[in-house]
This record gives sequence, structure tokens and C-alpha cells, in this order.
Amino acid sequence: DIVMTQGALPNPVPSGESASITCQSSKSLLHSNGKTYLNWYLQRPGQSPQFLIYWMSTRASGVSDRFSGSGSGTDFTLKISRVEAEDVGVYYCQQDLEFPLTFGSGTKLEIK
Amino acid sequence: QVQLKESGPGLVQPSQTLSLTCTVSGFSLTDYSVHWVRQPPGKGLEWMGRIQSGGSTDYNSALKSRLSISRDTSKSQVFLKMNSLQTEDTAIYFCTRGAYWGQGTLVTVSS
Repeated sequence: DIVMTQGALPNPVPSGESASITCQSSKSLLHSNGKTYLNWYLQRPGQSPQFLIYWMSTRASGVSDRFSGSGSGTDFTLKISRVEAEDVGVYYCQQDLEFPLTFGSGTKLEIK
Repeated sequence: QVQLKESGPGLVQPSQTLSLTCTVSGFSLTDYSVHWVRQPPGKGLEWMGRIQSGGSTDYNSALKSRLSISRDTSKSQVFLKMNSLQTEDTAIYFCTRGAYWGQGTLVTVSS
């Protein structure tokens, strides 16, 4: 199984500052079709996960442009610009290159 | 609009079988895959399996011996059955179409 490892944030992050969340995969998520099969989700307290980013860097419909994804085949970053109170929650990376689909353990974002 | 909603018993006894239903609207099960994901209280997300638009299934190998996913396309419903439940199966169970998630249903395994 592909193991997804997420980094921690130096919480709390001051409101208006940027936050970068890292994720590493145990295998390259770059497909031969040129797409990198890495997704990002935000789970706010008490809610279902919200789909943020797919194919490593493509924002899902309706997602603020304050969220941006980048990376290589195995190292990924979700950057949140100008963090706001509504960004609080746990961020998960997920690979959907192969089964079983696997998630990182989550990174908690708190705002000051 | 696209919606998914899980339903099922909130409490299951150890060693019994869990049966959950995901009722979808706004799309056809013959066009999209539906996945099941679970989350133990206070912990992370675990992918359990999926049923593809064509009806074939894929399972997490850690659960494969206990898990079955099926569907009724005429009713727009996807079913999860998992047997031999233990306390560690206590979790919120979500059905999802990737970008769209149900609200989840809490299943507690306890006598």
C-alpha cells in the first residue's frame, strides 16, 4: 500500500498569514498520462471532508484561490494564503493512483 | 444537485454484521463510482472500498474478507455489509463520490 505521511503545522497560525502543509508519498503518484494523483481535503470540526484539490494542483469547483497545491511525484505542499477563521480544521492528503486509496494522518490548522 | 446520505443502525453488537445504505441523488450510479470511507472517533480517514459505475468492486485488503459493497441502481442506493464487527470498527461511516460526501453515520460497536 502507498503510505502517505503528513507534516505538522506550527500552530496557531496568525490570521492573515500563510500556512503550508506538506505530504509525502512512499511511491511516485505521477501517472504515465502526466497527471499526479494526489488530492487534498479539509475536514472542519464536526463536518464531512471537503474536496479542495485534485491532480496535485487543480482546485475543485468553488474552492477559494487562496488554496494552491504543488509538488513533485512524491513530495507535495498545500499552501493556504491569508488564513482565515473558516480554514480551521484538519487537512488530509490522499492518493488515488492505485488501490487501496490511502490518506495521510491529517494536519491540524489552528488560527490565532 | 448531487447528494449522498448514509443510513443504518447506530449500534451494532460485537461479532454481528453491519448493514449501511447510501442513498444518492443528482446523479446515476451507472455513471459514477461510489466509495465508502470510515473515521474512528478522533482519528483519521480510512478508505474501505468502492463500487464502480459498471458494478465491479474494489476493497481495502485489510477489510476484504469481511466487507461487501453492492447497489440497486433502480433505487439509487449503494449498500455496505461488513461482518464480524469488533469495537475497533466503531466509526463514522461516509459514502462519497470524491468531490461529494454524505454527512456520515456513526456506528458504535458495543454490547
